[in-house]
Amino acid sequence: AQKITQTQPGMFVQEKEAVTLDCTYDTSDPSYGLFWYKQPSSGEMIFLIYQGSYDQQNATEGRYSLNFQKARKSANLVISASQLGDSAMYFCAMRELDFGNEKLTFGTGTRLTIIP
Amino acid sequence: ETGVTQSPTHLIKTRGQQVTLRCSSQSGHNTVSWYQQALGQGPQFIFQYYREEENGRGNFPPRFSGLQFPNYSSELNVNALELDDSALYLCASSLGALAGGPYEQYFGPGTRLTVT
Repeated sequence: AQKITQTQPGMFVQEKEAVTLDCTYDTSDPSYGLFWYKQPSSGEMIFLIYQGSYDQQNATEGRYSLNFQKARKSANLVISASQLGDSAMYFCAMRELDFGNEKLTFGTGTRLTIIP
Repeated sequence: ETGVTQSPTHLIKTRGQQVTLRCSSQSGHNTVSWYQQALGQGPQFIFQYYREEENGRGNFPPRFSGLQFPNYSSELNVNALELDDSALYLCASSLGALAGGPYEQYFGPGTRLTVT
């Protein structure tokens, strides 16, 4: 069974500092994908970044980068130069593909609070 | 480009009743996935619809059912509501696994269901 683990229930970070949110996963499938989503208090899940298991380079999207360490089965999200608007819940998710059926399995999330 | 929309925003139902939630997918997307997010948890996959057929299902009982229409919009129906069904229900649209990528799922704002 697929599993996503986020070990940091909450984090407090000073504005403008970089922050790393941890995510480890467990799968025996050679082909998979890893996502990070941001969920503000409004509830909407906002897509941040995607890393495929066969991608050679770490994914980057603006201030977001994904530190993908395949051998360690980790996919940490790095946010550079944090802003007050980054305060939200962050979820790591894994894309599972089973005979053409696709689903995302989510972790329990990390609540990030940016301090002015 | 029109994003994912969901209706209604909030809903209050009584135990034993039935409920229908609606979702309009993002323009160009033919796949819709539904997720249940209980308070303080990550989203849990309910099922996915691709071209009007169920294309994968999570660990939810048959009283959770769905439909997808020719315009790729979708409904989630829940019969015989239980107190534990109280949650945020999220709909996500994508191009689906068979498209070969990109694999991002884009989420709507969700419907918050309260069962009393």
